[in-house]
Amino acid sequence: GAGVSQSPSNKVTEKGKDVELRCDPISGHTALYWYRQRLGQGLEFLIYFQGNSAPDKSGLPSDRFSAERTGESVSTLTIQRTQQEDSAVYLCASSLGALDRSYEQYFGPGTRLTVT
Amino acid sequence: GEDVEQSLFLSVREGDSSVINCTYTDSSSTYLYWYKQEPGAGLQLLTYIFSNMDMKQDQRLTVLLNKKDKHLSLRIADTQTGDSAIYFCAERTSGTYKYIFGTGTRLKVLA
Repeated sequence: GAGVSQSPSNKVTEKGKDVELRCDPISGHTALYWYRQRLGQGLEFLIYFQGNSAPDKSGLPSDRFSAERTGESVSTLTIQRTQQEDSAVYLCASSLGALDRSYEQYFGPGTRLTVT
Repeated sequence: GEDVEQSLFLSVREGDSSVINCTYTDSSSTYLYWYKQEPGAGLQLLTYIFSNMDMKQDQRLTVLLNKKDKHLSLRIADTQTGDSAIYFCAERTSGTYKYIFGTGTRLKVLA
């Protein structure tokens, strides 16, 4: 079956422009995460969606970052007025979302964002 | 505080065993995960262990957990060149959804 897909795979943008990154989770997965991975570093939690509950936005680094998800489907991560420090790989993951089980996160291949 | 730490690099010869180490901080019921990331790809879950276990074995992979020292290790037996990748340790407290990832260990397998 289809895994988590992300688009675009690569994005080069000029400083100050807005970008929108897309994530298509696995069908039926109620939980969706966005992470940022800077070069040579681990994954930095950005935001978590679970069904129709209010998302946990505690990881968003500034108000230039926002994300939306419609129901249990596609999510978009938007970065406004991009800065060079936003350059990173943005990873999306989805899971079945049962809190007390070791449910597996399935990761997409990521979007590599380069801000020039 | 929340912090998962790993050494950055490990180099082994093909056929040897690799041991990748991780320390974590959460002291309550915790799931601990090992992920593999190959170049240009997302993370793939290799195995996980719950904090009430000491060891888990899955084919060439052995996970050891030392709860007293909050130390987790991943042993890969008979390491192959295809095992070259970055390996991430992550923890998640039971009942929560937030994963804390380590910085990753880059494993290089020499032929």
